[in-house]
Amino acid sequence: VQLVESGGLVVQPGGSLRLSCAASGFTFDDFAMHWVRQAPGKGLEWVSLISGDGGSTYYADSVKGRFTISRDNSENSLFLQMNSLRPEDTALYYCAKDYVGSVAGYSMAVWGQGTTVTVSS
Amino acid sequence: QTLVTQEPSFSVSPGGTVTLTCGLGSGSVSTGYYASWFQQTPGQAPRTLIYHTNSRSSGVPDRFSGSILGGKAALTITGAQADDESDYYCVLYMGRGWVFGGGTKLTVL
Repeated sequence: VQLVESGGLVVQPGGSLRLSCAASGFTFDDFAMHWVRQAPGKGLEWVSLISGDGGSTYYADSVKGRFTISRDNSENSLFLQMNSLRPEDTALYYCAKDYVGSVAGYSMAVWGQGTTVTVSS
Repeated sequence: QTLVTQEPSFSVSPGGTVTLTCGLGSGSVSTGYYASWFQQTPGQAPRTLIYHTNSRSSGVPDRFSGSILGGKAALTITGAQADDESDYYCVLYMGRGWVFGGGTKLTVL
C-alpha cells in the first residue's frame, strides 16, 4: 500500500489549491479515504472523509463550505479542493486509507507522507 | 466542536507499563466512539496502532493494547522500550466525522 500526496504550495489568503493523493497497492474503490492535517508544531486535525464509492462525504466544521473532497476511482486518486484559504489552514496535509469502504467508523489505517500547504501573503 | 482530551505528557521507565487515556470534555467514551490510537515520531507520518477501541493494526506488537477504562478510551503499553518515545494521538468517531485529541508526549526514561 502506498499513498503519495502532491499539490502543496504557498498560496495567498483567499486563494485556492487542489491537493491530490495517488494510491497504489490496493483496490482503491473498496476503501474510504481521509484527509488529516497537522499545523506546524501542533497536533493532528481530521479534515474530511469520502466513502469508497464517493457517495458519502463528511467535513470538519473548520473547513465545511470551503473544502471539497472527491475521488476518481478510475485513476486511483483522491483530491481535496481548498477554496477561500486562511492562514490557519497552513499545515502538512496527509491522506489516509480507511479499513472499510463505508464511512462507518473504522478510521485511518495507512498514511501517506503528506504535502505542505502554506497560506501567507 | 466536541473536545477530546489527552494527557499532555507522560513518562515511563524502560520495561514499565503506561496507560494513556482519551476522554470527552463532557460525557463518557464508549465503544460506539470507535477510538483509534496513533503513534508519531518527529518528522514522520503517523502510524496506526489501534482501531475500533481494541483491534491492533497490522504489524503492531501485542505490547500495545486498547480498552475502555473509567469512561475513557485507553492505550496501554507494556514493556516500554526506548523507541516507544513518541507523540500518541487518539481519535473518536462523532457520527459524521472524527475528532482528534491534542496528543500525549510520552517520554521513556
